[in-house]
Amino acid sequence: NAGVTQTPKFQVLKTGQSMTLQCAQDMNHEYMSWYRQDPGMGLRLIHYSVGAGITDQGEVPNGYNVSRSTTEDFPLRLLSAAPSQTSVYFCASRRTRDMPHTGELFFGEGSRLTVL
Amino acid sequence: GDSVTQMEGPVTLSEEAFLTINCTYTATGYPSLFWYVQYPGEGLQLLLKATKADDKGSNKGFEATYRKETTSFHLEKGSVQVSDSAVYFCALTMDSNYQLIWGAGTKLIIKP
Repeated sequence: NAGVTQTPKFQVLKTGQSMTLQCAQDMNHEYMSWYRQDPGMGLRLIHYSVGAGITDQGEVPNGYNVSRSTTEDFPLRLLSAAPSQTSVYFCASRRTRDMPHTGELFFGEGSRLTVL
Repeated sequence: GDSVTQMEGPVTLSEEAFLTINCTYTATGYPSLFWYVQYPGEGLQLLLKATKADDKGSNKGFEATYRKETTSFHLEKGSVQVSDSAVYFCALTMDSNYQLIWGAGTKLIIKP
């Protein structure tokens, strides 16, 4: 029972480099999202998607791109990494068809990114 | 706008002590309320939820009651264990969208 799978778990980048954080879920969830978690700031929503081909911005979208070509996958791209993007990133998914406002959000284990 | 306020941590308790973590919210409608828990090195997972006023959510010995009159959803446990050490997040969501609004999280440390 894989749930939400994120890769890589750890990554070190130099300023200006680009990379993609992968997220895949096997629960056929319509909704997928990316959060970043920083000390003392809780969780902040970066981007989200309510279905294949549909994406939208969250609270802190600058410097990140997403796409949703399939129901299962929701990669997060850092176009030109900056030290301010050093953080722990979480992918999360949920059903929306039946329970739009009560459905449980399922999280991946996180990806720790350091930008030097 | 809608918001969630949690008590600041860390909260440090001895094993078998009584736990309360305060959570209050501001919302324009009737939200659903959640507590999520994050164990060290892991992602968040749902601990309990309540979808309407006076509902009580419970799981793993934890409880929280949805109090509309005080706009609160305080987390309680009668006797904590070392394994309860984690970060606890209070959150709300409204009927009209899929987004969760998060509190800042409260770190709980239980000493043997």
